[in-house]
Amino acid sequence: AQKVTQAQTEISVVEKEDVTLDCVYETRDTTYYLFWYKQPPSGELVFLIRRNSFDEQNEISGRYSWNFQKSTSSFNFTITASQVVDSAVYFCALSVTSGSARQLTFGSGTQLTVLP
Amino acid sequence: DTEVTQTPKHLVMGMTNKKSLKCEQHMGHRAMYWYKQKAKKPPELMFVYSYEKLSINESVPSRFSPECPNSSLLNLHLHALQPEDSALYLCASSHGKAGGRGDTQYFGPGTRLTVL
Repeated sequence: AQKVTQAQTEISVVEKEDVTLDCVYETRDTTYYLFWYKQPPSGELVFLIRRNSFDEQNEISGRYSWNFQKSTSSFNFTITASQVVDSAVYFCALSVTSGSARQLTFGSGTQLTVLP
Repeated sequence: DTEVTQTPKHLVMGMTNKKSLKCEQHMGHRAMYWYKQKAKKPPELMFVYSYEKLSINESVPSRFSPECPNSSLLNLHLHALQPEDSALYLCASSHGKAGGRGDTQYFGPGTRLTVL
């Protein structure tokens, strides 16, 4: 069975602060994918990043960066110089194969509020 | 183009009504998904279609009936719903090939359903 834990239920920061969202996962599969999605108040889940279990290279994309560590089963997400538009619920998710399609296991989400 | 469209955006229905939710994608994806999301919770998987065949049904009540007329369209037929079925219904699609690009799921904007 798969499990994703986002221990931070809510985080509130002031604009321009850096913020890190934590994600810890559990799986017995050796091949898996990890994802981060953003859900603004409008409701749409927006795909941010995907990492496979064989690629521990960290990534930076603009103000976003991700730290994947298999040794600690963590896939953390950092926003630098946060902006009000970053306010949303962020979901970490784990994907393993189920038949011919992959199923996503979501964490419970972290509500990020960036104050002006 | 990573667009998944859903109609309607909002739907209010009585418990005796019959309605349908529609989802469409033109990315050539062969897997399509229905999720239900309650407030402050992560999305819960309902159904998965892979190559137009139902591959996963997460023990969803029969008052929800999915249909996949072709590889681009996914419907969710609703009948005799209960007030507790009120939620955001999200559609997603992915390549459908295990391992293919991590089979990233791309989500539509959702339909906010209210059952009176």
